Amino acid sequence: NAGVTQTPKFQVLKTGQSMTLQCAQDMNHNSMYWYRQDPGMGLRLIYYSASEGTTDKGEVPNGYNVSRLNKREFSLRLESAAPSQTSVYFCASTESGPEQYFGPGTRLTVT
Amino acid sequence: TQLLEQSPQFLSIQEGENLTVYCNSSSVFSSLQWYRQEPGEGPVLLVTVVTGGEVKKLKRLTFQFGDARKDSSLHITAAQTGDTGLYLCAGVVGNFNKFYFGSGTKLNVKP
Repeated sequence: NAGVTQTPKFQVLKTGQSMTLQCAQDMNHNSMYWYRQDPGMGLRLIYYSASEGTTDKGEVPNGYNVSRLNKREFSLRLESAAPSQTSVYFCASTESGPEQYFGPGTRLTVT
Repeated sequence: TQLLEQSPQFLSIQEGENLTVYCNSSSVFSSLQWYRQEPGEGPVLLVTVVTGGEVKKLKRLTFQFGDARKDSSLHITAAQTGDTGLYLCAGVVGNFNKFYFGSGTKLNVKP
């Protein structure tokens, strides 16, 4: 089992460019999450998907969109990247309880 | 303003010392998790506490959930260099769809 995988691991974008961060889990989990981690801020929830076909906003959704493509995959899209979106992005999944399993992260720099 | 306040932010101690990390809030949580994160990796779950007053032990780590389910602590006995990392608490309000993370405690255990 690979657990939660994320691609790419690193990305550099120019302001205004768009990109999609990919996340997949092979644990048959229902819920999936996208977080960003900034120094001194812990992790902040961007969007989550409680089940296939549903998505909801978290604490910091502005500037992002998500797609729950199927039960395995949950993608995060930046339509027009801004320097304030420079961060480390983590995807996570849970079955039905509070225990989350995290991917290795995507390190994004927007110049 | 973060829902969960962690203290201290940084801790540098010698191997063999004891330490306690605190996670406090004015909100009531249905459960609280502690994670450990190594540089360049995603957080890894250490424990989940659910019942007010609950104490859980994981080898040299002792986790406590406050009676009112608003706060938690992590105590490490006889710290080892392998304990070095970022410790994060996360609370769930209501159902398991929205998680709130503390800002983290960066622990450095010196040999």
